[in-house]
Amino acid sequence: GENVEQHPSTLSVQEGDSAVIKCTYSDSASNYFPWYKQELGKRPQLIIDIRSNVGEKKDQRIAVTLNKTAKHFSLHITETQPEDSAVYFCAASLGWSNYQLIWGAGTKLIIKP
Amino acid sequence: ETGVTQTPRHLVMGMTNKKSLKCEQHLGHNAMYWYKQSAKKPLELMFVYSLEERVENNSVPSRFSPECPNSSHLFLHLHTLQPEDSALYLCASGLAGSNEQFFGPGTRLTVL
Repeated sequence: GENVEQHPSTLSVQEGDSAVIKCTYSDSASNYFPWYKQELGKRPQLIIDIRSNVGEKKDQRIAVTLNKTAKHFSLHITETQPEDSAVYFCAASLGWSNYQLIWGAGTKLIIKP
Repeated sequence: ETGVTQTPRHLVMGMTNKKSLKCEQHLGHNAMYWYKQSAKKPLELMFVYSLEERVENNSVPSRFSPECPNSSHLFLHLHTLQPEDSALYLCASGLAGSNEQFFGPGTRLTVL
C-alpha cells in the first residue's frame, strides 16, 4: 500500500538554530501535504500545508518545500524556540481520495536551551 | 472546549467490558475519522465516515465497531478488548474535498 516515510525520528537542536524534517511519499497522485504539531498530552494541530501546484510555502519561522519529481517534502523551522519542542507529523493525501491522509511516523523535536 | 470534543478523556477497562467512546464536532464538517495513536508509530486510520460513505481499515479487529448517527457525532464501541489495544484514540473531522483534518483531544484507553 501507499506510505509516507519520515526522518529523523528524533531531532535535537540548539535553541536559535534551524531544524529540518523530511518526508518521502509513494503515491504519485498525492496532491496535499500537511504538517501537524503535537505537543505533549495535546491534540495534533495543523501548522502548515502545501498543495502540489506550489513548490514552497512560508509562514513566519516555518516553511515547507515540495519536490514532486522526487516525491519528497520538508519542514523547515528557523530560529527555534523552546515552544517548538513537540512531535511533528507529515502526511500526504491518498491520491484517489479527497479526504484521506497517509501519515508519517513522527519526529520528536527537542530544543536545547 | 469548542471544535472537536471527545469523551471520556481517560478510560480504563477490563478485557470483558463493553464501553463506547464519543466524538462531537461543531465545525459544520461532513467527514469524521477515528485514529489509533500508539507510541512511535504512524497514526493508524481506523474508520472514516464521509458524506454517505464509510471506509474502514481492514486490519482493524471486529472488537471495534463505529457508529455515525449524523455528521456531528461519531462513536466507537469497544468490546472484549486486548491489552495491545491500549493507546490514544483520536477523533478528527474535516470537509470532504479539503483533506484538512481537525483533531479532538483524544481518549487515553488502558486495557487491563
